[in-house]
Amino acid sequence: GQNIDQPTEMTATEGAIVQINCTYQTSGFNGLFWYQQHAGEAPTFLSYNVLDGLEEKGRFSSFLSRSKGYSYLLLKELQMKDSASYLCAVPFISGGSYIPTFGRGTSLIVHP
Amino acid sequence: NAGVTQTPKFQVLKTGQSMTLQCAQDMNHEYMSWYRQDPGMGLRLIHYSVGAGITDQGEVPNGYNVSRSTTEDFPLRLLSAAPSQTSVYFCASSSESGAEGYTFGSGTRLTVV
Repeated sequence: GQNIDQPTEMTATEGAIVQINCTYQTSGFNGLFWYQQHAGEAPTFLSYNVLDGLEEKGRFSSFLSRSKGYSYLLLKELQMKDSASYLCAVPFISGGSYIPTFGRGTSLIVHP
Repeated sequence: NAGVTQTPKFQVLKTGQSMTLQCAQDMNHEYMSWYRQDPGMGLRLIHYSVGAGITDQGEVPNGYNVSRSTTEDFPLRLLSAAPSQTSVYFCASSSESGAEGYTFGSGTRLTVV
């Protein structure tokens, strides 16, 4: 089974950098997803890490350490529109396919 | 390209009523899933499908049925609605590789009174 843990809430200042951590325990690792979800909207895909290391996409970066069961999402140059919930998800395998299991999400509040 | 389309967006049911939440995708995705989202609980998997004719139970399947007669459609049926099923429901789909992540529908906000 999967066990995913991330902080419930974080606050940060506009223009700053914030790191959202995710730890996981899984019976078989098949990558890790990060999603962003604004209030009242559907989640949207941010990143997928399957190998160790840092992957950068503009202001957002995602890091993975498979040996430590640990990932983080790094948001730089924070903007007010980055206020949202950030969901960490780890797929489990069913019949050869990968079905994401989600953590409870981290609510990020960006203030001026 | 519409992506994942869910209907209805809002629904109020009385306890004991049944209904079907519709989900359709036009991306030729093999994988489709239904999640419910409750405050403080994150997204919990109800049922999923890895292709037409194949479905399986997720974490919270009780009270729900699904079928996958075509690649495009994956309806979720509530058999006898209960107040505990008040939630926001999301349908999502993914290609077989999964590397692009799941594409979510806009959600259905269901209230059972």
